[in-house]
Amino acid sequence: AQSVAQPEDQVNVAEGNPLTVKCTYSVSGNPYLFWYVQYPNRGLQFLLKYITGDNLVKGSYGFEAEFNKSQTSFHLKKPSALVSDSALYFCAVRPYQTGGGNKLTFGTGTQLKVEL
Amino acid sequence: KAGVTQTPRYLIKTRGQQVTLSCSPISGHRSVSWYQQTPGQGLQFLFEYFSETQRNKGNFPGRFSGRQFSNSRSEMNVSTLELGDSALYLCASRKGSANNEQFFGPGTRLTVL
Repeated sequence: AQSVAQPEDQVNVAEGNPLTVKCTYSVSGNPYLFWYVQYPNRGLQFLLKYITGDNLVKGSYGFEAEFNKSQTSFHLKKPSALVSDSALYFCAVRPYQTGGGNKLTFGTGTQLKVEL
Repeated sequence: KAGVTQTPRYLIKTRGQQVTLSCSPISGHRSVSWYQQTPGQGLQFLFEYFSETQRNKGNFPGRFSGRQFSNSRSEMNVSTLELGDSALYLCASRKGSANNEQFFGPGTRLTVL
């Protein structure tokens, strides 16, 4: 069975500082990995994904994530945080499988708080 | 291009009732997935439909069911509502390849009293 761990319930960072939101995963075979962000009373918004290829993936709003197969991690990063980045962040995984099924497994979410 | 739309946005029901939630995917998207989001359990996969066929199902009781129509619109139904069914129900659509990301709707907030 696949699983995702987001070890930090909350991450606090000062505006302008770099931020990292951690994610580790467990899946049989090759993983497809995703990051989503959720603002209050809204649905999830796609940030970036790793399917194959370069381990460093760039996404929306200046976010990037690094895929590390040996550590089974896919940490989300941003060089300079903004107050508007404050939101709930979800990491998700699904295994490569034939038939194209799309059962995503999400982590528990990390609340990012960026302060002035 | 219009995003994923879900109706209604808010719903209040009482225990024992049933409820139907609706989701209209992005035009051209044939895959629709449903998720339940609660503070205690987080985001949990309910089921996925593609071309009117259920492709995947999560670990929910049979009270939770869904269907997809020929225009890709989807509905989910919960019968015999329980207090624990109170949650945000999210619908997501995806275009074509399973490599593609899902686009989520704003959700339906269901409260069971």
